[in-house]
Amino acid sequence: QVHLVESGGGVVQSGRSLRLSCAASGFTFSRQGIHWVRQAPGKGLEWVAGISHEGSNKFYAGSLMGRFTISRDNSKNMAYLQMNSLRVEDTAVYSCARDGVTPFDYWGQGTQVFVSS
Amino acid sequence: QSVLTQPPSVSGAPGQRVTISCTGSSSNIGAGYDVHWFQQLPETAPKLLVYGNNNRPSGVPDRFSGSKSGTSASLAITGLLAEDEADYYCQSYDTSLIGYVFGTGTKVTVL
Repeated sequence: QVHLVESGGGVVQSGRSLRLSCAASGFTFSRQGIHWVRQAPGKGLEWVAGISHEGSNKFYAGSLMGRFTISRDNSKNMAYLQMNSLRVEDTAVYSCARDGVTPFDYWGQGTQVFVSS
Repeated sequence: QSVLTQPPSVSGAPGQRVTISCTGSSSNIGAGYDVHWFQQLPETAPKLLVYGNNNRPSGVPDRFSGSKSGTSASLAITGLLAEDEADYYCQSYDTSLIGYVFGTGTKVTVL
């Protein structure tokens, strides 16, 4: 079955960078787009970024102001989220999701990112 | 701040029917974009509940149904069970924001 596992989260100081990874299995990774969604503590869901199946099209939430970059490596069934100039308000659980029958048909459990001041 | 508004909470007794509204605008739901619904049980990842306004993925009970009209959508849960206690989110696309948007979320409590 579809399985998505995020990693790379942790505690980081404001202004620093972090790269998250999403390992996919159970489906033909190169045929599906991938998204990153975050959920701040006690808050709702917020779409962060998306990438097309072959990696040529990338989309970002406007609120990120160019600080995040999404990428993928289809040879490794992996997707990534490079987060630069992190802010306290970026503290959240970051999840990757498959773009299938809907943009978010399967989700990983997420990885926690805590940005300290 | 989300552009899709949901009631913060709804509640019902076991066996009852509850509905969750999702109010958008002419730049998202009203523009014809599909609405999808997700269920998030405590401390778990969101799960797709309804897609394309009124379709259920395999394995989702027919107690859950979605509808859409104008700039709004709704999720109905009939025959409420204790296991339905969770947070529910609607989701669509917004042409003004040029991106995907989620609703503010609704906590369903089974009395």
